[in-house]
Amino acid sequence: LAKTTQPISMDSYEGQEVNITCSHNNIATNDYITWYQQFPSQGPRFIIQGYKTKVTNEVASLFIPADRKSSTLSLPRVSLSDTAVYYCLVGDGGSARQLTFGSGTQLTVLP
Amino acid sequence: DVKVTQSSRYLVKRTGEKVFLECVQDMDHENMFWYRQDPGLGLRLIYFSYDVKMKEKGDIPEGYSVSREKKERFSLILESASTNQTSMYLCASSFPGQVLYEQYFGPGTRLTVT
Repeated sequence: LAKTTQPISMDSYEGQEVNITCSHNNIATNDYITWYQQFPSQGPRFIIQGYKTKVTNEVASLFIPADRKSSTLSLPRVSLSDTAVYYCLVGDGGSARQLTFGSGTQLTVLP
Repeated sequence: DVKVTQSSRYLVKRTGEKVFLECVQDMDHENMFWYRQDPGLGLRLIYFSYDVKMKEKGDIPEGYSVSREKKERFSLILESASTNQTSMYLCASSFPGQVLYEQYFGPGTRLTVT
């Protein structure tokens, strides 16, 4: 199972772009990279998933370099409501044992 | 909208009691999951189920059991609650065959065992 490493916490200011990087040095060929967001007192919410290069949706972008040993979640122009914990998961979706959320990254957006 | 509901938001039980946590989803998902979340430890998978009457252990199944008699309902059972089972319990469901992609979570049950 590919282990992931993320920063424990990050601070940003409203209107800035935030980049959260996840390291996954032993990612396997069939593995995808998935990011979730969790607000206080709520369950996590799926944000984005990708395999290589760049994926963009209405919420975020996911950048994956060619070696796939890391990935970067990019949140454009954050607001106070983006304050949450962000989790990076890696796996091929074939087994629920891959569902290791870890401690995530606590993003705090300041006014 | 997918809805995953959990029977209680807050629950207080005594040591040794049998505790049932219920989870219901309305999207006909085949996959359902139970996690516990503790400060500094993130979410840890307790049990999951790919189909009715089917279950598999996750990372921390000790002290727990599950039941899935109907597709929409997945129950977590604490046979004899202990204080170290005080935690936030989260249920989730997902599309068939996609355990990583877009899991839908319930609001959680904060269980306190005294």
